Amino acid sequence: AQSVAQPEDQVNVAEGNPLTVKCTYSVSGNPYLFWYVQYPNRGLQFLLKYITGDNLVKGSYGFEAEFNKSQTSFHLKKPSALVSDSALYFCAVKSSSNTGKLIFGQGTTLQVKP
Amino acid sequence: ETGVTQTPRHLVMGMTNKKSLKCEQHLGHNAMYWYKQSAKKPLELMFVYNFKEQTENNSVPSRFSPECPNSSHLFLHLHTLQPEDSALYLCASSPSGIPYGYTFGSGTRLTVV
Repeated sequence: AQSVAQPEDQVNVAEGNPLTVKCTYSVSGNPYLFWYVQYPNRGLQFLLKYITGDNLVKGSYGFEAEFNKSQTSFHLKKPSALVSDSALYFCAVKSSSNTGKLIFGQGTTLQVKP
Repeated sequence: ETGVTQTPRHLVMGMTNKKSLKCEQHLGHNAMYWYKQSAKKPLELMFVYNFKEQTENNSVPSRFSPECPNSSHLFLHLHTLQPEDSALYLCASSPSGIPYGYTFGSGTRLTVV
């Protein structure tokens, strides 16, 4: 069965520091991986995705993520956090071997303090 | 705007009321989804439609009734809801096929009183 784990309910960082939001996955077949961000009372907004190719993927708002096949991870990173990055972040995965349904992690709240 | 529009943005309804949520997309996507997002709970996939046909119903109570008249529109009809049904209801759409993500609407904040 496919699954996504975001092991941290909340991540706290100081503004200007680097941030990492962790994600690990389990799929049969090749994974297609996504990150979304959700601001209060809004829908999920697409940040970036990994389909194939370079393991380091760059996305919106200065975020990037690194696909690590051996560790089955797709951690979200940003070199310098902003207070405005504070939001709820979701990792999601599809498998090349199923119907294409997106499986979401439980979400990680990122709190960036001034 | 993401291209997926949900109306209304906020809805307060009594337990005996009947109301409907609407979702509309003109992105040319063939798949549409309803999600429920409750406080401090994971996203719950409720229904999936592909090419107007329902392909998934995740044991959703019958007081929630989806309708997909065409690939651009999706409705969620509500009747005799319970207070625990209060949540943010999110609609999403996607192209058919594996490597595509979903585009979400802004959601309808539902409060059942």
